[in-house]
Amino acid sequence: AQTVTQSQPEMSVQEAETVTLSCTYDTSESDYYLFWYKQPPSRQMILVIRQEAYKQQNATENRFSVNFQKAAKSFSLKISDSQLGDAAMYFCAYRRGSQGGSEKLVFGKGTKLTVNP
Amino acid sequence: DTGVSQNPRHKITKRGQNVTFRCDPISEHNRLYWYRQTLGQGPEFLTYFQNEAQLEKSRLLSDRFSAERPKGSFSTLEIQRTEQGDSAMYLCASRRGVNTEAFFGQGTRLTVV
Repeated sequence: AQTVTQSQPEMSVQEAETVTLSCTYDTSESDYYLFWYKQPPSRQMILVIRQEAYKQQNATENRFSVNFQKAAKSFSLKISDSQLGDAAMYFCAYRRGSQGGSEKLVFGKGTKLTVNP
Repeated sequence: DTGVSQNPRHKITKRGQNVTFRCDPISEHNRLYWYRQTLGQGPEFLTYFQNEAQLEKSRLLSDRFSAERPKGSFSTLEIQRTEQGDSAMYLCASRRGVNTEAFFGQGTRLTVV
């Protein structure tokens, strides 16, 4: 079974600074996707960024970028120029590739990010 | 497109009572998922529908849990004879198809007292 591990229960960053959230995963599949989701307090989970395993290039979305190390099964999220609105729970998630089946998401336990003004 | 809608947002019930939650996915999203999120944990998969067919159920989904998606539109999740261990946030998500993003609702927070 696939597992996702987030070893940092909480992180904090100063506004405008950069922070990196860690994630490791375990799978025997070759075709899969990795995601970072953001869950603000009392609001729905939204997708921050996604990475296809077959792509060597790291995904970027504005201030958010990932460091995808396939051999090490590591998938970290870097948030640059942190803003107060970035404060939230961040979940790393795994999904099998499109080989049939539910394509359900497997989540880590999350990292609570605090942004200090 | 108003997003994934879940009702109620909060539910407090006494142990042993039955509860039912509703999820309205984004229109034209044929894939629908239920997840459960307990305090300090990430969401865990419960069940999956493609259109009206329930195609996968987690072992977490005990016999007291049942989910339906009549006509492939909204879905309901019912918990019978609730237990304190059922207290959690129940999340619904929908997707349009293969290789597409999942959109989540705000969840229903269940408290069993």
